[in-house]
Amino acid sequence: QKEVEQNSGPLSVPEGAIASLNCTYSDRGSQSFFWYRQYSGKSPELIMSIYSNGDKEDGRFTAQLNKASQYVSLLIRDSQPSDSATYLCAVNTGFQKLVFGTGTRLLVSP
Amino acid sequence: EAQVTQNPRYLITVTGKKLTVTCSQNMNHEYMSWYRQDPGLGLRQIYYSMNVEVTDKGDVPEGYKVSRKEKRNFPLILESPSPNQTSLYFCASSHTGTGLAWGEAFFGQGTRLTVV
Repeated sequence: QKEVEQNSGPLSVPEGAIASLNCTYSDRGSQSFFWYRQYSGKSPELIMSIYSNGDKEDGRFTAQLNKASQYVSLLIRDSQPSDSATYLCAVNTGFQKLVFGTGTRLLVSP
Repeated sequence: EAQVTQNPRYLITVTGKKLTVTCSQNMNHEYMSWYRQDPGLGLRQIYYSMNVEVTDKGDVPEGYKVSRKEKRNFPLILESPSPNQTSLYFCASSHTGTGLAWGEAFFGQGTRLTVV
């Protein structure tokens, strides 16, 4: 079982819709969780971090964490074509180790 | 401007010819790491460093070396590159002083390496 799993996609949504990206992780001791966005040919950039159960909102982005289910999600409201990118889920499985999922490709059509 | 700078951005080399990819950050971050990114495999950690003179292996360290003689620099060395090291490489840094937030990493622009 992979430590961090994501559906590779692509996830296709129309402009203005809500995009829902999901991630599961295997280490119950994981304490911090991150979403990075990576445009094609570019480096990953941090868009959200979440450390406790529940929701965390930042603009159009909402991160959701459920430690009991070992599940992290990212919601993007009012999706724009500029949101088209690969979204990487990363999990701190212990100090010094950050494990990335393989990413979900999101396509937002005008 | 806060940034992580990698050089070179693109490199084509031949099997066995030693090379170094440089990485420098201007944010006074303690933690630095190297990743390689391959299709279908995602980002995998090669080596990391908690601070000056403190380095350790990540998940895929074979064939690579690193050093951390200064806080800002963390070069990646391929002593004898082989074709299976053809990949996209990223350097990243983060601040460890805030506990859980050390995973909030800044990435360099990437180095696309081809070994023929």
